[in-house]
Amino acid sequence: EAQVTQNPRYLITVTGKKLTVTCSQNMNHEYMSWYRQDPGLGLRQIYYSMNVEVTDKGDVPEGYKVSRKEKRNFPLILESPSPNQTSLYFCASSGTDNTGELFFGEGSRLTVL
Amino acid sequence: SQQGEEDPQALSIQEGENATMNCSYKTSINNLQWYRQNSGRGLVHLILIRSNEREKHSGRLRVTLDTSKKSSSLLITASRAADTASYFCAIRYGNKLVFGAGTILRVKS
Repeated sequence: EAQVTQNPRYLITVTGKKLTVTCSQNMNHEYMSWYRQDPGLGLRQIYYSMNVEVTDKGDVPEGYKVSRKEKRNFPLILESPSPNQTSLYFCASSGTDNTGELFFGEGSRLTVL
Repeated sequence: SQQGEEDPQALSIQEGENATMNCSYKTSINNLQWYRQNSGRGLVHLILIRSNEREKHSGRLRVTLDTSKKSSSLLITASRAADTASYFCAIRYGNKLVFGAGTILRVKS
């Protein structure tokens, strides 16, 4: 089954404790992206990757890092999480240069205390 | 902001009625997409309309695009309780896909 898998789905952590949210897709997609969703703000793009070893900042990259060492994986790293990073995070992928359909993971709800 | 603006923010209708949601944007686009999100779940792609298209259909969905007014609408005909969800327009600018804040649709049975 074609899917985007995120882990963990739920996480409560404390300020400053590094964490990684993994994302993996099995569709051989070139394009992958991370979004955060906050009430009233819609989805805002954090980082995206056009292909292996190619990443770029989205609209809200501060406090986040990403890497794209393999085509299927695109982890999101919070080196020193802060309470304003409490949010619902989505990973998504697309098979073209993003003109087409985005496939989303089920989301990772992160709470930073 | 390049973000699409959606209208209304929330919509409540009876089963069987039609639901119309609108999306406006500010600059030239490559394409415009509509997504659906069930509560707390991942978004699911519904339909894509390119900048040179004016109307597209998919089942009970009808999307229009008016580039002169920089607006799009999503019409869901003969709504069902299962259509209850949030609907987002997403606008392609260059390499970016920018989402609106969404319309919450509630279909009452």
